[in-house]
Amino acid sequence: GENVEQHPSTLSVQEGDSAVIKCTYSDSASNYFPWYKQELGKRPQLIIDIRSNVGEKKDQRIAVTLNKTAKHFSLHITETQPEDSAVYFCAASNNGNQFYFGTGTSLTVIP
Amino acid sequence: EAGVAQSPRYKIIEKRQSVAFWCNPISGHATLYWYQQILGQGPKLLIQFQNNGVVDDSQLPKDRFSAERLKGVDSTLKIQPAKLEDSAVYLCASAGLAYEQYFGPGTRLTVT
Repeated sequence: GENVEQHPSTLSVQEGDSAVIKCTYSDSASNYFPWYKQELGKRPQLIIDIRSNVGEKKDQRIAVTLNKTAKHFSLHITETQPEDSAVYFCAASNNGNQFYFGTGTSLTVIP
Repeated sequence: EAGVAQSPRYKIIEKRQSVAFWCNPISGHATLYWYQQILGQGPKLLIQFQNNGVVDDSQLPKDRFSAERLKGVDSTLKIQPAKLEDSAVYLCASAGLAYEQYFGPGTRLTVT
């Protein structure tokens, strides 16, 4: 089955700096890669996703890049704010089936 | 639009007891997922339904877990008998044609 690895497990940045979280996957059949933000005690919320026919996608301060050849994808958050503090999960899926999640990155934005 | 509904929100049971969780997906979403999220870990897919058919249950411990979605709308997940290691948050999610999953608030299960 698919194996998704996520790094780093914890990340602290100063407010206004950028944060980058990286994930790798093993199954070349995976073609949908979402990112979720989960605040303490809350449900995961989809913040951005990318499909295998696209190399990069941007939504305001958040961007995701995908390298199919190397089987890795990354989340980039620019101009970080304290409200960005949360746990972020990447996931990989084959056509909306068999979602496999990474182990999570706890992001702390220091005011 | 209304989100994914789950109940109960919290449940405490003793080991070897049984428990059931209920999920009502977003209206019109054909795909429904049940996940187990142990504290400090990412969600782990237990079972995926497409309408009332099972798409994937490869990670469902079938000796104790069962799930159904009889009319292709709401779903129940059951554990019988529960073990201590089943303590977790059970998340239900639904998705439409674009694969985007929307999660419910989850049920926090504590097995003592």
